Amino acid sequence: KNQVEQSPQSLIILEGKNCTLQCNYTVSPFSNLRWYKQDTGRGPVSLTIMTFSENTKSNGRYTATLDADTKQSSLHITASQLSDSASYICVVSDSSASKIIFGSGTRLSIRP
Amino acid sequence: DGGITQSPKYLFRKEGQNVTLSCEQNLNHDAMYWYRQDPGQGLRLIYYSQIVNDFQKGDIAEGYSVSREKKESFPLTVTSAQKNPTAFYLCASSIGLAGSAYNEQFFGPGTRLTVL
Repeated sequence: KNQVEQSPQSLIILEGKNCTLQCNYTVSPFSNLRWYKQDTGRGPVSLTIMTFSENTKSNGRYTATLDADTKQSSLHITASQLSDSASYICVVSDSSASKIIFGSGTRLSIRP
Repeated sequence: DGGITQSPKYLFRKEGQNVTLSCEQNLNHDAMYWYRQDPGQGLRLIYYSQIVNDFQKGDIAEGYSVSREKKESFPLTVTSAQKNPTAFYLCASSIGLAGSAYNEQFFGPGTRLTVL
């Protein structure tokens, strides 16, 4: 069964600290993996996308990694800001491009 | 939220009533999607449409209906047959089928539906 599991479910850190969010998937055959940021009451916005051959991709203070062998991805946030408070969603697509599986997200709260 | 608009932002419905959620995009995208988001769960696909006048059921289509008469518009009707309609509904669009690495989904701001 195709699944995307994210951990932790929620996380609270102090402003300026770093954090790492995890995503494990069982989607096969794999095509690509995206990380989205979703502010409360808003639609998700894409942060990064990685295909099978990519293992690191950065977008400003966000760095995503992918290990296609272990089927794991992480999203590292550096020097967190209050505006980083949001849900972060991992989304995996299979190679037929017909199946997109959404993780349930990690709720990140940044405290001043 | 790109060029996708959803209305209304908040919607209240009495049990037994049908309601229609609007989704419009000006991105010239061929594909459009409706998702439902519940607390603690990933987005679940209700319906999607790859071209005008064609749409396909997603994973949880029961109790919902859609139409795609125009490229820009993909309204979702929540019927009285949907037993638990209270949720956050998200519309999205993409150039082509979204599973490809080259076809990013762009999401609207969402509509929160509450059944009273």
